[in-house]
Amino acid sequence: EAGVAQSPRYKIIEKRQSVAFWCNPISGHATLYWYQQILGQGPKLLIQFQNNGVVDDSQLPKDRFSAERLKGVDSTLKIQPAKLEDSAVYLCASSPLMSGFYEQYFGPGTRLTVT
Amino acid sequence: AQTVTQSQPEMSVQEAETVTLSCTYDTSESDYYLFWYKQPPSRQMILVIRQEAYKQQNATENRFSVNFQKAAKSFSLKISDSQLGDAAMYFCAYRPSNSGYALNFGKGTSLLVTP
Repeated sequence: EAGVAQSPRYKIIEKRQSVAFWCNPISGHATLYWYQQILGQGPKLLIQFQNNGVVDDSQLPKDRFSAERLKGVDSTLKIQPAKLEDSAVYLCASSPLMSGFYEQYFGPGTRLTVT
Repeated sequence: AQTVTQSQPEMSVQEAETVTLSCTYDTSESDYYLFWYKQPPSRQMILVIRQEAYKQQNATENRFSVNFQKAAKSFSLKISDSQLGDAAMYFCAYRPSNSGYALNFGKGTSLLVTP
């Protein structure tokens, strides 16, 4: 089965510019997660979707970050305007269900550099 | 809030030897799940092993095993017969079982395997 797909793999932008990341989860997975991984740290959840509804976005900086999961499949994460501290790897993950002893499957990530 | 602590930023092991990575966590929940994920330089996070807190028996997956001490809130990972391909960042993660929350990760341990 195909894994979690993410694009682009790398992105370099200047501060105050906008950027968008795309994620395609494993087919049939209802739950989708976006994590931010700053260099030297573990991933931190930004937003969690169950189908096309938001379950948890408590750590999403809503003044500049937005995310959507139209039709409960693909998802996009947008940053507008970007700040230097947004430089990180953005990981998308999916799982079959929200609760239960399920593994989360991760994509390869998008490395964002803000200059 | 639950916290996950990995006190070893870096560890080194010789090929074919055994190494143990430490993880402690803080929670008031009685039932939860614990995971070890591996992140090679390519960045794809891969599940190594997982443990359900209500199970007293330690999980094993081939050369990987855990020492789960619920009372001490400790969840260490033992890698036996280390191989060059084991070199990676290893993240310990926690999730309560009665909710759909995302994974809560530690800061990671960088494992170097020397020939």
